[in-house]
Amino acid sequence: NAGVMQNPRHLVRRRGQEARLRCSPMKGHSHVYWYRQLPEEGLKFMVYLQKENIIDESGMPKERFSAEFPKEGPSILRIQQVVRGDSAAYFCASSPPRTGGTDTQYFGPGTRLTVL
Amino acid sequence: AQRVTQPEKLLSVFKGAPVELKCNYSYSGSPELFWYVQYSRQRLQLLLRHISRESIKGFTADLNKGETSFHLKKPFAQEEDSAMYYCALSGLGNYQLIWGAGTKLIIKP
Repeated sequence: NAGVMQNPRHLVRRRGQEARLRCSPMKGHSHVYWYRQLPEEGLKFMVYLQKENIIDESGMPKERFSAEFPKEGPSILRIQQVVRGDSAAYFCASSPPRTGGTDTQYFGPGTRLTVL
Repeated sequence: AQRVTQPEKLLSVFKGAPVELKCNYSYSGSPELFWYVQYSRQRLQLLLRHISRESIKGFTADLNKGETSFHLKKPFAQEEDSAMYYCALSGLGNYQLIWGAGTKLIIKP
């Protein structure tokens, strides 16, 4: 099992461009979480998705950010019209179908987004 | 407010010395507490969680509800323990993890 995969690992965008971050969960995992980490800060929850469903997007900025987890393929975090403040590390985590309690989340290596 | 505080950004100790990484939390319900570790050039991984009450790599952590703390301890530090350590919490059965800012642990030879 290759673990949670994220690509690209590094992404550079100019202000106003779009950024698309991809996350492939671990095999057998149907839950995906996205977190953002600004410099010198802890991770902040953004969104929780299951296949074809957004379960909780309470941590997502209201504008420019969207996420999806289609039936086939990876989960995508999309940031439109990026600004310098979007520069951060974006982490994806996955967990297996819930069995009650708090499932362990397994993390990808992260995507470091730099906005010029 | 729900919050996790790790008061030390950096902690440096000598090999063989005891280590204690502090974590304090604020949460209105029944929290579940975690320690995650990130070694150099590796991804975040779960080190331990309080409900498991287990020792991983010689580390232990006890949930102290009176002091709202979940400090991570190891009696004898090893050089391979050098890493970033994050304390996190969630509500019981909840999926949202609330994270501290992390403590960088450096073990000096």
